[in-house]
Amino acid sequence: GAGVSQSPSNKVTEKGKDVELRCDPISGHTALYWYRQSLGQGLEFLIYFQGNSAPDKSGLPSDRFSAERTGGSVSTLTIQRTQQEDSAVYLCASSLDPGLGSPLHFGNGTRLTVT
Amino acid sequence: SQKIEQNSEALNIQEGKTATLTCNYTNYSPAYLQWYRQDPGRGPVFLLLIRENEKEKRKERLKVTFDTTLKQSLFHITASQPADSATYLCALDIPGNNDMRFGAGTRLTVKP
Repeated sequence: GAGVSQSPSNKVTEKGKDVELRCDPISGHTALYWYRQSLGQGLEFLIYFQGNSAPDKSGLPSDRFSAERTGGSVSTLTIQRTQQEDSAVYLCASSLDPGLGSPLHFGNGTRLTVT
Repeated sequence: SQKIEQNSEALNIQEGKTATLTCNYTNYSPAYLQWYRQDPGRGPVFLLLIRENEKEKRKERLKVTFDTTLKQSLFHITASQPADSATYLCALDIPGNNDMRFGAGTRLTVKP
């Protein structure tokens, strides 16, 4: 594909509902990252996948957050029982070989608003 | 604890001047450091990478330095233009597991 694709681009949900965010990485990129960015803030690391496995889940804010990656490609980030503090832009990135310093290619994010 | 700090939230300079942004880190020993540009409503875009054994890297009007003793990287934009206005983020790899951590960013405004 041309780049990292995220869907939906915007999501408004009611407090307490579950949401699922999708990321389509660049074909062939083995590494995939999820970050969260609140208004005017930096990138908060959530989770990193190498292939289908997640060596580092330390950034997930609570057990309401989970992520999976299947087939070494598409990833979904699920937030259960959403809270207002979950409102943010969720960014996904993929990389060819981070061990060699390959850059991260970002999507334009999903803007989540919890009302 | 591990920290990545960028010198200021916002930097305003006049067109034509050199912008210098700072990235400091503690309790890391990264193998490399990257700089990204982020425009409003968009994801960050990669600009430059510098490795731990490199002192300086250049690309057109951009220059990055990396001092592993001071645990600091400087990012320079020479002959700045209003189109350079954006938020600039530094990122470090985490040795051992290849994930990347970002600083909070510095919002640069270049005034005509």
